Amino acid sequence: EDQVTQSPEALRLQEGESSSLNCSYTVSGLRGLFWYRQDPGKGPEFLFTLYSAGEEKEKERLKATLTKKESFLHITAPKPEDSATYLCAVQAPNDYKLSFGAGTTVTVRA
Amino acid sequence: DVKVTQSSRYLVKRTGEKVFLECVQDMDHENMFWYRQDPGLGLRLIYFSYDVKMKEKGDIPEGYSVSREKKERFSLILESASTNQTSMYLCASSPLGSGGTYNEQFFGPGTRLTVL
Repeated sequence: EDQVTQSPEALRLQEGESSSLNCSYTVSGLRGLFWYRQDPGKGPEFLFTLYSAGEEKEKERLKATLTKKESFLHITAPKPEDSATYLCAVQAPNDYKLSFGAGTTVTVRA
Repeated sequence: DVKVTQSSRYLVKRTGEKVFLECVQDMDHENMFWYRQDPGLGLRLIYFSYDVKMKEKGDIPEGYSVSREKKERFSLILESASTNQTSMYLCASSPLGSGGTYNEQFFGPGTRLTVL
């Protein structure tokens, strides 16, 4: 069974204080790893897909990286509007389904 | 932009009622999904559909059924609602992948269902 573990559960940052979120996974042959952002009371918003170890993707203050066992979401110089829950999900080959982690809730204080 | 809409943002029902949650996507996606999201448990897949009239059980299908009569519409049905089905319900859609391509899912805004 595919497993996705995200850490920490919650992260409180001061504005401008860079940090990283971790997503570790066990899946037989990764097809894709996905990062989403979710604001309270809303559906997840797609951020990135990573396919293979060594790949990196960037969007504004966010950068996602991938190794064979885990992915990191780096938040550089965060702003209060980066406050959200960040979800990680993996997909196995020949599978429509995504397996989600429980998420990391990030709070950025001004 | 991909748009996934859900029929209600908030819904309150009584135990034993039959409940219909509707989802519509406008990007001609083949795959559609229903999840529920609960604090501490994350997103759990209830059912998914990879084509019209086709469906497969997800991780927690008990107490639910689905219907997909048209490509753009996927309905989740609670035959007899119970209090443990109080949750946030999220619909998603994704395009059909082909060998090696990814299948990111696009989510709707969610329906917060309360069963009293």
